[in-house]
Amino acid sequence: KNEVEQSPQNLTAQEGEFITINCSYSVGISALHWLQQHPGGGIVSLFMLSSGKKKHGRLIATINIQEKHSSLHITASHPRDSAVYICAVSRGNQFYFGTGTSLTVIP
Amino acid sequence: DTEVTQTPKHLVMGMTNKKSLKCEQHMGHRAMYWYKQKAKKPPELMFVYSYEKLSINESVPSRFSPECPNSSLLNLHLHALQPEDSALYLCASSHATNNYGYTFGSGTRLTVV
Repeated sequence: KNEVEQSPQNLTAQEGEFITINCSYSVGISALHWLQQHPGGGIVSLFMLSSGKKKHGRLIATINIQEKHSSLHITASHPRDSAVYICAVSRGNQFYFGTGTSLTVIP
Repeated sequence: DTEVTQTPKHLVMGMTNKKSLKCEQHMGHRAMYWYKQKAKKPPELMFVYSYEKLSINESVPSRFSPECPNSSLLNLHLHALQPEDSALYLCASSHATNNYGYTFGSGTRLTVV
């Protein structure tokens, strides 16, 4: 069993739609990270959370420590949001990755 | 400077070649990481350096040899690789005590022929 589970694995949305990606984890963590990776590209860190909610532009990330659950929301989605979104948790120097959600936003 | 810089961006090497991947950061991070990522898979941790000392080696074959010459630089020396070693190699860095500021480089796309 993976320490980090994401859903859905694949997601297709129309431009402008509100998108939610979910992440559940089973280990104690020091922080949860949402990462973005475009095809063939490197990884960009979107958020690092240890509690509550963070917002950056059209992206919102929330975490519920008691339920060991986090969500990434994208408002007014755009084709340039098409990428793989990866949830990861850190404990000490260890990083546990989810398998990623492949998002395609259609114009 | 808030970046992790990896060079080269692309590398094609033969199975008998020796090459090195380079990773550099100037954020004062004292933890640096090498990851290997195959297509459509999450990154797999290879090595962790903390305060320039190797702290985690995830049973990586000896044909991969990491080196951390100073707090800003991390190298990965490659020798006698196999075609299945072809992958995206990602470097990352963070504060050593709490992972704050975890930052990835854009990776080196390695092809072994």
